[in-house]
Amino acid sequence: GAGVSQSPSNKVTEKGKDVELRCDPISGHTALYWYRQSLGQGLEFLIYFQGNSAPDKSGLPSDRFSAERTGGSVSTLTIQRTQQEDSAVYLCASSLERTENQPQHFGDGTRLSIL
Amino acid sequence: SQKIEQNSEALNIQEGKTATLTCNYTNYSPAYLQWYRQDPGRGPVFLLLIRENEKEKRKERLKVTFDTTLKQSLFHITASQPADSATYLCALPPGGGGNKLTFGTGTQLKVEL
Repeated sequence: GAGVSQSPSNKVTEKGKDVELRCDPISGHTALYWYRQSLGQGLEFLIYFQGNSAPDKSGLPSDRFSAERTGGSVSTLTIQRTQQEDSAVYLCASSLERTENQPQHFGDGTRLSIL
Repeated sequence: SQKIEQNSEALNIQEGKTATLTCNYTNYSPAYLQWYRQDPGRGPVFLLLIRENEKEKRKERLKVTFDTTLKQSLFHITASQPADSATYLCALPPGGGGNKLTFGTGTQLKVEL
């Protein structure tokens, strides 16, 4: 079956522009996560959608970052007025949430470069 | 909050040897711990999960141990192959349980011929 799909795979934009990153989770997965990974760094949690509950936005670094998940499926991460420090790989993951211990299934990320 | 420590230096070993990677945590002991593999330019891939009441878990050439006294998990790859070269990440849930994970920075493994 299809895995987690992210688009675009690469995005280069000028400082100050807005960008939208898309994530298509595995069908039937109720949980969706966004992470950011800078070069040589670990995964930085950004936001977590769990079923119909309010999302956990505790990892968003500033109010320039927002995300939504429509119809419990596709998610979009939006970064407004991009800054150079936003350059990173943005990873999306999904998982089943019937029980704890569920592994996360990751896409291959969007590599964002801010000029 | 939980702090996870993985050796930031790359581990270089010869093909056929056993690779051992370490994951140390500093705060509460989690209900479970997961290990992932990440190749360059790709997202992490889940490998193994071990629960707090399990001392050891095996899957083919992989073995994970979990010592809640030492606050440490060890990840072993036996009979290592060049194809095992990658970065290996450990991940822990929050103290209250749940599926939201905190990831370590990972250890890069290089298996040489």
